[in-house]
Amino acid sequence: DAKTTQPTSMDCAEGRAANLPCNHSTISGNEYVYWYRQIHSQGPQYIIHGLKNNETNEMASLIITEDRKSSTLILPHATLRDTAVYYCIVRGYSTLTFGKGTMLLVSP
Amino acid sequence: DAGITQSPRYKITETGRQVTLMCHQTWSHSYMFWYRQDLGHGLRLIYYSAAADITDKGEVPDGYVVSRSKTENFPLTLESATRSQTSVYFCASRVGGLGQSSYNEQFFGPGTRLTVL
Repeated sequence: DAKTTQPTSMDCAEGRAANLPCNHSTISGNEYVYWYRQIHSQGPQYIIHGLKNNETNEMASLIITEDRKSSTLILPHATLRDTAVYYCIVRGYSTLTFGKGTMLLVSP
Repeated sequence: DAGITQSPRYKITETGRQVTLMCHQTWSHSYMFWYRQDLGHGLRLIYYSAAADITDKGEVPDGYVVSRSKTENFPLTLESATRSQTSVYFCASRVGGLGQSSYNEQFFGPGTRLTVL
């Protein structure tokens, strides 16, 4: 699986959009980009995934650059409950490889 | 209740003892996974299973044994626990299908916090 690079931590004000970047410059053509998050002491939770096109669901939007070397997860209106570690994962086959992720702190 | 459950949620044991962590899922998912999470290392895959009686090593399999006689259960055994195996253990499952799939979400259990003294 391709390696990903994410900032260690980010801050966001409640109600504002949170934009979490991820670099995956070695991604290959058949690898998907997955985003998970882990709220303190809980198991990770799937957020969204994509291959080439931008994706949106009820939780977030995923923007993937045209060259697919980076992506951005967008939480459009962050709440305090969105405080968590966010993992960007490039998945090539059956398993997921979790990095250290980005600790997002949403403040009032 | 539907979902994925782990037991026990907390366990304290001593070095050298055998410990089994249980994982049960009600979705009939083909794939099941065991991860450990330690400070500074994030989540690391220990073992996974593609179906009953099929298991494969992950990143950190040493010291662990798994079995999968039934689709819904995937126990993880520490045959002789060591202090380095003190960790939080997460079980996960997902629907089957090899290779790329357009939707292959893993569902995680609540975790088991294991302390080896």
